[in-house]
Amino acid sequence: DIVMTQSPLSLPVTPGEPASISCRSNQSLQHSNGYNYLDWYLQKPGQSPQLLIFLASNRASGVPDRISGSGSGTDFTLKISRVEADDVGVYYCMQALQARTFGQGTKVEIK
Amino acid sequence: QVQLQQWGAGLLKPSETLSLTCVVNGVSFNDFQWNWIRQSPEKGLEWIGEIKHRGSAKYNPSLQSRVSISVDASKNQFTLKLRSVTAADTAVYYCARGRPGDWGLDYWGQGSLVAVSS
Repeated sequence: DIVMTQSPLSLPVTPGEPASISCRSNQSLQHSNGYNYLDWYLQKPGQSPQLLIFLASNRASGVPDRISGSGSGTDFTLKISRVEADDVGVYYCMQALQARTFGQGTKVEIK
Repeated sequence: QVQLQQWGAGLLKPSETLSLTCVVNGVSFNDFQWNWIRQSPEKGLEWIGEIKHRGSAKYNPSLQSRVSISVDASKNQFTLKLRSVTAADTAVYYCARGRPGDWGLDYWGQGSLVAVSS
């Protein structure tokens, strides 16, 4: 099984400041086709998760360009260049290379 | 506008069968993967399985012996069944659309709380 580990689990942020979340897998998520099968999701309070990033670095429709994903193999990062109040919630990474497994989640809250 | 609306029984007794249905509006049922995911405080988000419109399904190995997902393309809906439930199956269950090529789960249902209690 592929295990996903996120850090930190809690992230207090200041509006206007950058934020970064790490996600690591216990085996490479890079397919032979070159793609890394890693997504990022945000679950806002009281809502279903929503897709932010797919294939490690591709923004989903409607996601602002201040949110970006990077990484390859086993190490991935989600970055928010300037945090806004609407960014609060729990962020999850999810691998889709073998079945699907999620990270534990990172709770982002405003300081 | 794509909408996934889900329904099913919210309270079950141990050993019963969980059954949830998700109907898809606003998009062709074909060409996508239709998923079930659940969320509990103990396990977080857990993928249950997926099915394509032609009926080929994949399941989480940890649940494979108890789960089945079926599709009725004529009604644009798919159904989750989980047999022999226990308290550990208490969770919020979501249906979600997967895009071709595993390009993310881009539309989710509203979630259904299912509680298992004697």
